[in-house]
Amino acid sequence: DVKVTQSSRYLVKRTGEKVFLECVQDMDHENMFWYRQDPGLGLRLIYFSYDVKMKEKGDIPEGYSVSREKKERFSLILESASTNQTSMYLCASSTRKMRYNEQFFGPGTRLTVL
Amino acid sequence: GEDVEQSLFLSVREGDSSVINCTYTDSSSTYLYWYKQEPGAGLQLLTYIFSNMDMKQDQRLTVLLNKKDKHLSLRIADTQTGDSAIYFCAERGRGSTLGRLYFGRGTQLTVWP
Repeated sequence: DVKVTQSSRYLVKRTGEKVFLECVQDMDHENMFWYRQDPGLGLRLIYFSYDVKMKEKGDIPEGYSVSREKKERFSLILESASTNQTSMYLCASSTRKMRYNEQFFGPGTRLTVL
Repeated sequence: GEDVEQSLFLSVREGDSSVINCTYTDSSSTYLYWYKQEPGAGLQLLTYIFSNMDMKQDQRLTVLLNKKDKHLSLRIADTQTGDSAIYFCAERGRGSTLGRLYFGRGTQLTVWP
């Protein structure tokens, strides 16, 4: 059974803290993605990675960075958390071996920045 | 960039059919998708359609694709309360060699008993 796991379901941090969100997939997928989901705005792509150590900016990369040191793990970093980064964060993975590129999603991390 | 639009809310009675509509701008889209998000969960692929097809049926789900109008719809027959969820339309453009998908804002489907 395919699986994408995220390190926390709920996280509360203070303004200015450095925050790490971890995502792990066990499907040997090349591609991994970080999205944020806000009511009425849908999913917005923050960053994605198509291989180890490779990354591409999405639509809203400002205030975020990412790290992909191993194929199965993709980390999202908030260098200095701000209240406008309070959101639901979703990680996904996919493989280029599958023609229709299904993305498999984790359960999400609800981050609150106080 | 690519733009995918869908209405935000839809309410239906249990047993009726639901139709969720989506429009997209990228005429070179190769695959179009419908994802479902249940409360407190991530998204799950419901169905997809390749761009050379007009229709795809899978049990209670029917997907219609009108390439000329760049319009995609999802019909759920005999809608049940368990179908209450957010439904996202997504498309993959021809240039998306890295597997990037473009999502709409999601349609919240509420099914009344």
